[in-house]
Amino acid sequence: GENVEQHPSTLSVQEGDSAVIKCTYSDSASNYFPWYKQELGKGPQLIIDIRSNVGEKKDQRIAVTLNKTAKHFSLHITETQPEDSAVYFCAASGRLAGTASKLTFGTGTRLQVTL
Amino acid sequence: DSGVTQTPKHLITATGQRVTLRCSPRSGDLSVYWYQQSLDQGLQFLIQYYNGEERAKGNILERFSAQQFPDLHSELNLSSLELGDSALYFCASSVEGRGAGEKLFFGSGTQLSVL
Repeated sequence: GENVEQHPSTLSVQEGDSAVIKCTYSDSASNYFPWYKQELGKGPQLIIDIRSNVGEKKDQRIAVTLNKTAKHFSLHITETQPEDSAVYFCAASGRLAGTASKLTFGTGTRLQVTL
Repeated sequence: DSGVTQTPKHLITATGQRVTLRCSPRSGDLSVYWYQQSLDQGLQFLIQYYNGEERAKGNILERFSAQQFPDLHSELNLSSLELGDSALYFCASSVEGRGAGEKLFFGSGTQLSVL
């Protein structure tokens, strides 16, 4: 099945700096890669996603890049703010038997934005 | 607010007991997913239902079972509880339940503590 590795596990940046989180996946058939943000006491919230026919996608201060050949994708947050502090999860669609598929999540990155 | 409702928010019980977690999906969503989040395992997919029928199964123990009712709410039953079952249990919903390429919306989770 699909395996997703995520690095780093913790990341501390100063307010205004950029943050980059990287993920690799194993299933070359995976074609959907979302990123989720989880704040304390809440469920994961989708912040951006990318499909395998696109190399890069941007939404204001966040962007995601995908390298299908190397099977890795990254989340970039620019001009970080204290409210960006949270745990971030990458995920990849994995294939089960038949036509069913499921999301496999990375182990998460705890981002701390300091003043 | 994702629109996915999970109850209860917290559950404390003893080993050997049985509990039921409840989830109401977003209005209009036909598919429900259950995930387990523990400190050392990240977000693990348990099971998916679509319009009342099981669609995909992940790493769900035989002691665990789930169902989706005609009104589309879902229940996750955990029996013969062990200390290691202590975790956050999330429910997510999506419109069609295709899994790959479909946005999942997560509830706030149920924190289960087995003492």
